[in-house]
Amino acid sequence: GQNIDQPTEMTATEGAIVQINCTYQTSGFNGLFWYQQHAGEAPTFLSYNVLDGLEEKGRFSSFLSRSKGYSYLLLKELQMKDSASYLCAVDDYKLSFGAGTTVTVRA
Amino acid sequence: DADVTQTPRNRITKTGKRIMLECSQTKGHDRMYWYRQDPGLGLRLIYYSFDVKDINKGEISDGYSVSRQAQAKFSLSLESAIPNQTALYFCATSDLDRGWDSTDTQYFGPGTRLTVL
Repeated sequence: GQNIDQPTEMTATEGAIVQINCTYQTSGFNGLFWYQQHAGEAPTFLSYNVLDGLEEKGRFSSFLSRSKGYSYLLLKELQMKDSASYLCAVDDYKLSFGAGTTVTVRA
Repeated sequence: DADVTQTPRNRITKTGKRIMLECSQTKGHDRMYWYRQDPGLGLRLIYYSFDVKDINKGEISDGYSVSRQAQAKFSLSLESAIPNQTALYFCATSDLDRGWDSTDTQYFGPGTRLTVL
């Protein structure tokens, strides 16, 4: 089976940094996705990690440790528009999603 | 025009009715997926199809059926809707065989909000 855990909610201040952790125990693993989802909208792709290490894309970075079954998404210089849910998903030729982390950015 | 479209976008129906949700894509992808999303449970896979002749059950397929009419079309049916099927339904496509760059991911449709009374 698939077990993917991430915190339910996080709150941070505009301009700050927030780190969203994701741990997983899955029967297969090809890579790990992070998606952003605003309320009532479709998820949109943020990052994909296959190898261990940090991938940086502008204000967003994602880290993967395959041996530890662990990933995190780092959001820097938070903006109000970053208030959304962030979904961690394990790729095993199909995606298994965590329940999502709702991030609220306060002024 | 959107790459992945879903119809209808909103639907209210009654218990016992047959409902079909349709998904069309213009991305030319072989793989298509149906998910449902419930508050606090994230996205759960209902069915997926890797090509027109390939249909696979996901983790919550009971009470649902699908039809892959063409590469571009993948429909989800609820033969006899029940209230606990009230949810937000997403269709997605991917073309993973082309390799892993930043664009080779799952692309989601806008969602269908289904309410079963």
